Amino acid sequence: ELKVEQNPLFLSMQEGKNYTIYCNYSTTSDRLYWYRQDPGKSLESLFVLLSNGAVKQEGRLMASLDTKARLSTLHITAAVHDLSATYFCAASPGVQGAQKLVFGQGTRLTINP
Amino acid sequence: NAGVMQNPRHLVRRRGQEARLRCSPMKGHSHVYWYRQLPEEGLKFMVYLQKENIIDESGMPKERFSAEFPKEGPSILRIQQVVRGDSAAYFCASSPGHYYGYTFGSGTRLTVV
Repeated sequence: ELKVEQNPLFLSMQEGKNYTIYCNYSTTSDRLYWYRQDPGKSLESLFVLLSNGAVKQEGRLMASLDTKARLSTLHITAAVHDLSATYFCAASPGVQGAQKLVFGQGTRLTINP
Repeated sequence: NAGVMQNPRHLVRRRGQEARLRCSPMKGHSHVYWYRQLPEEGLKFMVYLQKENIIDESGMPKERFSAEFPKEGPSILRIQQVVRGDSAAYFCASSPGHYYGYTFGSGTRLTVV
């Protein structure tokens, strides 16, 4: 059974600093997703990572995937207050295309001025 | 394209009543997924449907919960005889198929009083 674990679960950081959120998953998965959720809102898709070594960047966020280590990272560069949110990673079990997602617990990120 | 439409946004039910949650997928999307999010937790998969078929219901509680995606009209998640523990945010996501991303709706926040 696929399990997805994130760490840290809570992260408070200052503007301008860099940090990384880690996402480990327990069994083979062919896709890894990162989502952002603001309080009381839905999930906003950030990245989809499809292959080993994949790296994607959007603004101050960069995501990478190491399928051998079953690890994805979300790196935040020079954080700004607007990035405060909860970030979820999710993986899909198996290799058969459209299937359910298994989510991590989420990392609540607070960026202080 | 209006995105994934869920209604109602907020639903209050007394214990023992029925809750019906509706989800209209994005145009062209034939795969629908329902997830439940308890406060301060990640999303938990409930059910995956295609038109007139339940593909994977491994996350659905055995009793009181049912889902359908008829040939015409939205997907419906039905909760009979609601209890306080059913209070949560219920999100619907849709996908056009294999190896594409998922688009989430805004969710229905169910409160059982």
